[in-house]
Amino acid sequence: DAGVTQSPTHLIKTRGQHVTLRCSPISGHKSVSWYQQVLGQGPQFIFQYYEKEERGRGNFPDRFSARQFPNYSSELNVNALLLGDSALYLCASSPGPIGGTGELFFGEGSRLTVL
Amino acid sequence: GNSVTQMEGPVTLSEEAFLTINCTYTATGYPSLFWYVQYPGEGLQLLLKATKADDKGSNKGFEATYRKETTSFHLEKGSVQVSDSAVYFCALRNQGAQKLVFGQGTRLTINP
Repeated sequence: DAGVTQSPTHLIKTRGQHVTLRCSPISGHKSVSWYQQVLGQGPQFIFQYYEKEERGRGNFPDRFSARQFPNYSSELNVNALLLGDSALYLCASSPGPIGGTGELFFGEGSRLTVL
Repeated sequence: GNSVTQMEGPVTLSEEAFLTINCTYTATGYPSLFWYVQYPGEGLQLLLKATKADDKGSNKGFEATYRKETTSFHLEKGSVQVSDSAVYFCALRNQGAQKLVFGQGTRLTINP
């Protein structure tokens, strides 16, 4: 069975540009979460979606937005990119809201470099 | 607020050595605690978890005990292997919360 898939795996943007990252959850999983992992740090929570509704938002500026589609895939959008947005962006899925087992299944991430 | 602190890495050991990676946390209420592992070129995966005080999580020879009195969840393994080389993350989730709070990670390298 396919795990969580993310695209693109690597990308380079310049300051001020916009980026869209995509995530397909494990089949049957209805919840998707996004995390930002800056080099040398642990992942930081950005968003969680369940059944196409936002269920949680971390401490990130409004330049960050996300949505979940009817097939439960998700997009993370970041506008007006800053150098500090350079990071590994992780998508994770779970069968239901994270309030259940608490286990998340992570993809390998999209590495964004902002020049 | 909620936070997780891990021992700083990197940690380098010889094969068959005893491993301890320290993790302490600050949280309101009664969080669930987790260890995630990230092998080279792979996504994070759950290694073990504990949901209440004095619970012991275990998997693949690794163990960690939820110690409420010391707010700790240290990861241990009696005899490490080269294949255990990875980055290990301690994390917590508060009751009712939608997010995991991660520590900064500890890079472990095991030499043959």
